[in-house]
Amino acid sequence: NAGVTQTPKFQVLKTGQSMTLQCAQDMNHNSMYWYRQDPGMGLRLIYYSASEGTTDKGEVPNGYNVSRLNKREFSLRLESAAPSQTSVYFCASSRVSGYTFGSGTRLTVV
Amino acid sequence: TQLLEQSPQFLSIQEGENLTVYCNSSSVFSSLQWYRQEPGEGPVLLVTVVTGGEVKKLKRLTFQFGDARKDSSLHITAAQPGDTGLYLCAGDSGGSNYKLTFGKGTLLTVNP
Repeated sequence: NAGVTQTPKFQVLKTGQSMTLQCAQDMNHNSMYWYRQDPGMGLRLIYYSASEGTTDKGEVPNGYNVSRLNKREFSLRLESAAPSQTSVYFCASSRVSGYTFGSGTRLTVV
Repeated sequence: TQLLEQSPQFLSIQEGENLTVYCNSSSVFSSLQWYRQEPGEGPVLLVTVVTGGEVKKLKRLTFQFGDARKDSSLHITAAQPGDTGLYLCAGDSGGSNYKLTFGKGTLLTVNP
C-alpha cells in the first residue's frame, strides 16, 4: 500500500535548468495537489487538480506548470529554475476528509 | 485568502508535561484538520473536526473545534519524546473544489 510516491527525493539544479517532479497515487483519489514548504512560510499551494483532465492555479503558481497525466499521476515542471524555487515540494492526494502526502522532494537551485 | 494563525511557533518541554497549541482564524471553515510532520517526511493526518464545539481524542491528544468554527486547539497530556514534530492545522473553506489552507505550524520538541 504505497499511498503517494514522489520522485526524485533530492535534486540539485543550476539556474535556468528544467526538470519535472513526478507524483503518483494508488488510492483512486480524484484530487491531487502540489505544495512547496519553506521555513517561516508554511505549506503553500502551487497547483491542484480536482479531477483527471483539470488543473487550477494555487497561491504561488508562477514559474511552474503541471500535467494531470491520468487519475494516478500529477507532475510538476520547472521550465527555467531560479534560486527562489529552492524548497521542499510535496505532492498530495485527497478524499474529502483529508490529504495523504508524499515524502517530498528537496530541490536546491544554485 | 483565508489565514490560519498558529501559536506558539516553537515549544520545547520536558517529558511528562502537558501542552496546548492553538490555531486561529477570522474566517469560518467547514472542517479543520491537524497534521503531524516529522523531519524528512510529509505531513500525516491526525484528525478532522467538522462540527462547531466538537471534541475528538486520539490517545493522549485532544482536539477541539471552536463553536464558531474559526479556531481549534490541540492538547497533549503527558508529552513523550515521540510526540516531537511539526504540528500543522489546515482548514477547508468549502466550495466546489476541496483544497486546504495550512497554518505555518508549531514545532514541538519533547526532551527526555
